[in-house]
Formats: sequence, structure tokens, C-alpha cells
Amino acid sequence: AAGVIQSPRHLIKEKRETATLKCYPIPRHDTVYWYQQGPGQDPQFLISFYEKMQSDKGSIPDRFSAQQFSDYHSELNMSSLELGDSALYFCASSRQRAWGYTFGSGTRLTVV
Amino acid sequence: ELKVEQNPLFLSMQEGKNYTIYCNYSTTSDRLYWYRQDPGKSLESLFVLLSNGAVKQEGRLMASLDTKARLSTLHITAAVHDLSATYFCAVEFNTNAGKSTFGDGTTLTVKP
Repeated sequence: AAGVIQSPRHLIKEKRETATLKCYPIPRHDTVYWYQQGPGQDPQFLISFYEKMQSDKGSIPDRFSAQQFSDYHSELNMSSLELGDSALYFCASSRQRAWGYTFGSGTRLTVV
Repeated sequence: ELKVEQNPLFLSMQEGKNYTIYCNYSTTSDRLYWYRQDPGKSLESLFVLLSNGAVKQEGRLMASLDTKARLSTLHITAAVHDLSATYFCAVEFNTNAGKSTFGDGTTLTVKP
């Protein structure tokens, strides 16, 4: 079965650079969520989209932005990267929340 | 404040033993999830609990939900080494439907 696909799997950037993370949800899933998980931390909700519209916003820095495109894939854009942005970034998708979320494998971002 | 607290945070147990992980949350919840995460890996959905008194079982794991006590438990029966992982509970609060607040996670180590 198709899963949530994230790319790239690993990304190394220097401070003040920009990064773009991509997420391809499971087909026919109507909602996409982005989470950030720092080392040894629990995942923190960043932002979500329902049917290509932003549906909720969490602790996402102003330097970050995201959107969902017509093909339902989503991109998380991160600018002016800081060392503290180093983390695992997960995308998850769902259809009718009762069945829970499916998480992608994550993108490990390292800022040096 | 929306809070999710798990305990214990670290758990070391012998194979064959039983134990329970607890998840308390601060206010009315729409639904509760349990996830498993192996080091550096994605989050694997284990259970979705939607109503008071819900009980779900999969193999050696059983989850329950008491919405009046704002408590969920994840019970491990006759632990095996393969269960070693970090377990997160995540709560969707009624005031923030669609996004999950995660507990700090319980890192379980099962020793032979």
C-alpha cells in the first residue's frame, strides 16, 4: 500500500540558508500535517492543510511557510535557518481522522 | 493549557513481564492515539481511541481510554525484546481538533 512519502530523507544546510521539504500524502487523504521533532523531544505540531487550505497553525516560526498544491502534495519552506532548526520533520496525512494519521519517514534536517 | 503527560518516561523491564504506561491529559479530548517510534524512525500508529471505555488490543499491547479520568493506558503483556521502542500518546483536544499534542514519550527497553 502507498505510504506518505517525504523527500529528501536527509538534508544538511548551513546557517541562514533556505530549505524546502516535500511531502506526498497517501492518495485520497484530505489532510496533511507537519510536525517537528527535536533530538529526544516529542513531535511538535507546525501546520496543517485540509483540502489545500491551511486549516491550523501551531508553533511554526515566521521564517517557515508551507502550502499544499493542487495535486495535494505539500511543501515546507524554511528560510534563514538556525542551528536550532536541526530536527526530524514529519509529514502525516489522514482521511476522516477517526482512522488516525499515517506518518512519513521524515526528513532529517541538520543545520551547521 | 493543553498538556499531555506520560509516565514513566523510561521503563526497563524483563522479557515475560507485564507493565502499564499511563497517559494523562489536561482537558476534554476528542480522540487519543498511541504511536510507536524506533530510534531515528517514523511514528507508527498503534491505536486510535475515540470514546470512553474504548479498549483495543493488538498482540501484546492493549490500550484503553477513560475520558472521565482523562487517562489512557497502554498495557504490555509478557514483553518481548521486539517491543523495545519509544511509545507516544497523542491527544486531540476538542478546542484544537485536527492537531495532536504529544506526550513526552516512554522509552521502553525490554531485556532478555
